Amino acid sequence: EAGVAQSPRYKIIEKRQSVAFWCNPISGHATLYWYQQILGQGPKLLIQFQNNGVVDDSQLPKDRFSAERLKGVDSTLKIQPAKLEDSAVYLCASRTRPDPGRTGELFFGEGSRLTVL
Amino acid sequence: GESVGLHLPTLSVQEGDNSIINCAYSNSASDYFIWYKQESGKGPQFIIDIRSNMDKRQGQRVTVLLNKTVKHLSLQIAATQPGDSAVYFCAEIRPGGSYIPTFGRGTSLIVHP
Repeated sequence: EAGVAQSPRYKIIEKRQSVAFWCNPISGHATLYWYQQILGQGPKLLIQFQNNGVVDDSQLPKDRFSAERLKGVDSTLKIQPAKLEDSAVYLCASRTRPDPGRTGELFFGEGSRLTVL
Repeated sequence: GESVGLHLPTLSVQEGDNSIINCAYSNSASDYFIWYKQESGKGPQFIIDIRSNMDKRQGQRVTVLLNKTVKHLSLQIAATQPGDSAVYFCAEIRPGGSYIPTFGRGTSLIVHP
């Protein structure tokens, strides 16, 4: 079974530039998450999609971050304009419905590492 | 605010020893607790979870213990191997949400051959 695919793996930009990250979840997974992981910290949820609808975007800095999942499959996360503090790994995760036996099992991609100079 | 945190940022052990990674939480209403393993350059990987109505759960070479009295969670890894070297995160799932894990900071486990 193919895992969660993310691209690009690495991106270096200057502050005030824009960047976009792409995620293709595991086939059949209706729920998709974007997390931000700053070096030395645990992942922090940015946004959750259920199919093509947003479930929770309360922690997404909407003045500069946007995300979409138009057809309910792959998703794009955009940052415009980027700030120095946006330097982090952006992780995409997906799962099917929560399984009572493995409620915490999200499948993560390898992440996109962003460096803002 | 309430949060999930870890006691030790780094744990070094010898190959073959047992490892114990600890985690403190403060939200007594959380339903589930999960341990994830994150290897360098990869995303977190689910290891094991435990419901709040349990105090122990075992998997393959791993055991999670939950002490609700002191709000403490631990991950025990038996016969630690070099391949276990990674950062380990505990996470909690709070009630009323959409089963979204909230991660703590992480402990780096270093296994010496």
